[in-house]
Amino acid sequence: DTAVSQTPKYLVTQMGNDKSIKCEQNLGHDTMYWYKQDSKKFLKIMFSYNNKELIINETVPNRFSPKSPDKAHLNLHINSLELGDSAVYFCASSQVVSGEAFFGQGTRLTVV
Amino acid sequence: KQEVTQIPAALSVPEGENLVLNCSFTDSAIYNLQWFRQDPGKGLTSLLLIQSSQREQTSGRLNASLDKSSGRSTLYIAASQPGDSATYLCAVPANAGGTSYGKLTFGQGTILTVHP
Repeated sequence: DTAVSQTPKYLVTQMGNDKSIKCEQNLGHDTMYWYKQDSKKFLKIMFSYNNKELIINETVPNRFSPKSPDKAHLNLHINSLELGDSAVYFCASSQVVSGEAFFGQGTRLTVV
Repeated sequence: KQEVTQIPAALSVPEGENLVLNCSFTDSAIYNLQWFRQDPGKGLTSLLLIQSSQREQTSGRLNASLDKSSGRSTLYIAASQPGDSATYLCAVPANAGGTSYGKLTFGQGTILTVHP
């Protein structure tokens, strides 16, 4: 039973399209995140939600819009995709008190 | 602003060797430090979490130490095996103390290759 699961695992799309990535966690955590791993493998946080409330929004273009319908789900919608958006996007969750983060398997987004 | 550095960037060792991976961070007021493993094309697997009040944490052949005052952590891998080959990442919460919301700042990682 996967703790943090993302769909889809791979996403290939054309420039200008709009796409969504979904994430679900069954760990009962109250905090969820989106991280981006670029071509140099560097991981950087994009957004964080705590109890469905956005608490971190790191200088991300407003073409990226996260949405948390409930504590177990965090989706990422991207409008007007650009070549530079190609990366691996990771969802993660943690229980704030312990802070230990658990990651999904990633979504490899390729914009052509 | 917290910065995390990992040394070496890459390491290649023969099977059976004991090895040490290093992680340093600039802001010592951390809540905890976490070590991860990432296999090619896969997600991150949490290996060890050390709370700021702890000096070390062990899991099987892995031992992680933390020296907050000097801003350093090491991951010791005993009797390395080819299956240990992966990228190892350390990460610290960006906010100091209390509830950190888990926002992690990552190092660039150490690519470990253990050859038979």
